[in-house]
Formats: sequence, structure tokens, C-alpha cells
Amino acid sequence: DQQVKQNSPSLSVQEGRISILNCDYTNSMFDYFLWYKKYPAEGPTFLISISSIKDKNEDGRFTVFLNKSAKHLSLHIVPSQPGDSAVYFCAASDGVRGGNTGKLIFGQGTTLQVKP
Amino acid sequence: DVKVTQSSRYLVKRTGEKVFLECVQDMDHENMFWYRQDPGLGLRLIYFSYDVKMKEKGDIPEGYSVSREKKERFSLILESASTNQTSMYLCASSLRGGRNEQFFGPGTRLTVL
Repeated sequence: DQQVKQNSPSLSVQEGRISILNCDYTNSMFDYFLWYKKYPAEGPTFLISISSIKDKNEDGRFTVFLNKSAKHLSLHIVPSQPGDSAVYFCAASDGVRGGNTGKLIFGQGTTLQVKP
Repeated sequence: DVKVTQSSRYLVKRTGEKVFLECVQDMDHENMFWYRQDPGLGLRLIYFSYDVKMKEKGDIPEGYSVSREKKERFSLILESASTNQTSMYLCASSLRGGRNEQFFGPGTRLTVL
């Protein structure tokens, strides 16, 4: 039972345009969400996060939006650059309500290709 | 600079062999995790540990065991490797608590022949 889903395995955008990566979740106990970026042959690196008490968090070119009623979050990258080409994973945590274990549930990942 | 290191980048083992994957972190983190990454399946949690000598099963613990004798070191053990354990293995660590990012090592690409 996939609690965190990224339904688009891949996405291709032109350099300079907006990239929008989507993520859906089913567990209403999740209260903290993260995005990770992964290059081939490297471990994932943390990109940006959002708490369930917010609906938007911005860091430079990266913005994460959270729609709790729809159980949906998205990552916007503006403008997209060729160096952004990587696999992006969304992840969710149930925080205090889940016993504060620090566990994350990851989606399947979306491969982003930014074309020059 | 925070760091999580894994003992090998690439490993090739034979079916039935006992395999040890080592992970060391230098951030004094309480939590440590082992994942495997497979195409189309994302990162799946095998085991995690929130303290020395403590361990909890993740979503796919079958065929694996772990050991955490020291705070900085978390080992993943494949008691008898099988071909379906061919995968990318990723170790991560984080501070105690539910809202802390996990820091990942570079991964070990394990092939079981």
C-alpha cells in the first residue's frame, strides 16, 4: 500500500521554464513533507521541506506547495536549469503523532530532464 | 561538513554468501536508517535504529538483519544473499525527532550473482 505516490515517472522541460513535480499521499497523519534530489551514483540530498501548518515554502528557485484537503504537494522549480536534471523524491513523516521515530515514507521518484 | 560514509560503492557477491554493508556517520545523530532503491519503487525502508543496540523493522526487513553497537555505526547484514537482493543500498542518519531531515550516504550498488 503506497502511502506516498509520485504518479509521473518522468518529466521533460526546456531550460528557463517552470518544472512542476507532483506528489500525493493517503495518510492524514503525515504532518511534515520533504523533497530530495538524487543524481546517479550519489545519495539523495535534501532540497526543501514544509510543515502541515503551512501551505507554501520557498527557497530560491524552489517552492513547495501543500494542499492538505487534496492530500497533494508539488515542487515548483523556476527557472529550470540543466543542472536540475535528477530524480526527485517526495517524502512524508507522521512526526509526533507517529511516535517521533524520524521515519520517512518516500514516493517512487520522478526523473526530471531539463533540456538546454 | 556533515558526512555519512558507506564501506563500498560497488559489491559483487554470490548467492548464499553472507554480506556486510557498513555505514558510519560523523554527526552524532541518534537515528540511522537502511533503505534500498529499486527502479519504480522509490526508497524502501529495511531497518532503522533510534539508539545504540536498538533496532526496528521497516517495510521490507525479510532477509536482512542489522547491528548497531556504536552510535556512529550501523551495519546491514544479508545472512544469505539472493539474486532478488541485487539493488542500491542507501544509509541515512538524522537527529532524534520527527521533523529532521535525513542525511544520506553515497550508496552501495550490490549485485548478487
